[in-house]
Amino acid sequence: NAGVTQTPKFRVLKTGQSMTLLCAQDMNHEYMYWYRQDPGMGLRLIHYSVGEGTTAKGEVPDGYNVSRLKKQNFLLGLESAAPSQTSVYFCASSRVSGANTGELFFGEGSRLTVL
Amino acid sequence: KNQVEQSPQSLIILEGKNCTLQCNYTVSPFSNLRWYKQDTGRGPVSLTIMTFSENTKSNGRYTATLDADTKQSSLHITASQLSDSASYICVVSAPQGGKLIFGQGTELSVKP
Repeated sequence: NAGVTQTPKFRVLKTGQSMTLLCAQDMNHEYMYWYRQDPGMGLRLIHYSVGEGTTAKGEVPDGYNVSRLKKQNFLLGLESAAPSQTSVYFCASSRVSGANTGELFFGEGSRLTVL
Repeated sequence: KNQVEQSPQSLIILEGKNCTLQCNYTVSPFSNLRWYKQDTGRGPVSLTIMTFSENTKSNGRYTATLDADTKQSSLHITASQLSDSASYICVVSAPQGGKLIFGQGTELSVKP
């Protein structure tokens, strides 16, 4: 049982380039989330999805887009990367709303550096 | 504004010693509070969950306490081991608006 898998684990981009982070979960969870983690700050929600075909903005959505075409996959896209998007990105999933039970299952993270 | 503050930011202890990590929150109302452990280079993993009606919950050598009146929680680690070295994150659920509010974490280092 792999849980939540993120690819790639590391990536270096130049300013203005685009890329997509892939998240896959095998727990049949309805809810999926993308967070970013920066030093000295709590995890911040970028976008989330409450089910296949749905997406919603979190607290820091600017510069990112997402898609949930299949229940098990949640993609995070950077349209035109900026140095401020240098961060560690975590995907998570939950069976029911994270705000109700609070238990999220996280991937191992994707470290992105934008030069 | 809903906030979660953790202290200390970092802590170094010797193997075998006990320690207590603090979490203060201003989230109101809240439905539950979770502690996560995040090993270096890994994603967070849930340790305990507490609802507003619970005072204490244990998970092995980890014991979480909650005082809903003062809006404080603590995570006590007994007989620390080298594998306890990690970041510990306090997360509060705010059902109003369907939000999770993350603390910035406490970095614990256990030395031999």
